Amino acid sequence: QQQVKQSPQSLIVQKGGISIINCAYENTAFDYFPWYQQFPGKGPALLIAIRPDVSEKKEGRFTISFNKSAKQFSLHIMDSQPGDSATYFCAACRTYSGGYQKVTFGTGTKLQVIP
Amino acid sequence: EPEVTQTPSHQVTQMGQEVILRCVPISNHLYFYWYRQILGQKVEFLVSFYNNEISEKSEIFDDQFSVERPDGSNFTLKIRSTKLEDSAMYFCASSEEGPGGLDTGELFFGEGSRLTVL
Repeated sequence: QQQVKQSPQSLIVQKGGISIINCAYENTAFDYFPWYQQFPGKGPALLIAIRPDVSEKKEGRFTISFNKSAKQFSLHIMDSQPGDSATYFCAACRTYSGGYQKVTFGTGTKLQVIP
Repeated sequence: EPEVTQTPSHQVTQMGQEVILRCVPISNHLYFYWYRQILGQKVEFLVSFYNNEISEKSEIFDDQFSVERPDGSNFTLKIRSTKLEDSAMYFCASSEEGPGGLDTGELFFGEGSRLTVL
């Protein structure tokens, strides 16, 4: 129930194209859904996040679509650029009493944007 | 911009040896975490720490692991007797007290400490 399933495992997109990464979860106690971007040799960095009471959130070229009833959410990268090449992790967070969060990561998607 | 710093960046050790990985979280954060990432795999939760005690730990975090906040700035992960399967990148993270606003639960990750057990 704590798993977050992510697909695809890898993705190659032409520059200017749309990159789409999908995730699904089981546990309805999750209350926060961030996406993390990780470049080689670096730690994950928060890219964009959404709460389950919102169906879509857009920040620049990055959009999260959230379907609460289906327990699915996705990341869309518009006008993908070579600099977007990285590994993307979806995640689901559960906030416990006292405020700390437990983040459960998806398995990651390695995105390569080719010129 | 404040950041989480980790040392060492890479440590090589013999199986059975003790290892201590160190982290300096962002100064005003109150929640601290350790995650690990085996090469090419997903990031896995190990432990969360708040108010000088463990809040939650995963099944990975067995008796060989311990965490400590020895002073006001450092947060350490100790592996008492390393095994080959402990080889991974270990990430420290911290977050502000939450959950007040929309993003107060954001985790800030360090760049990781790569542990190689031979």
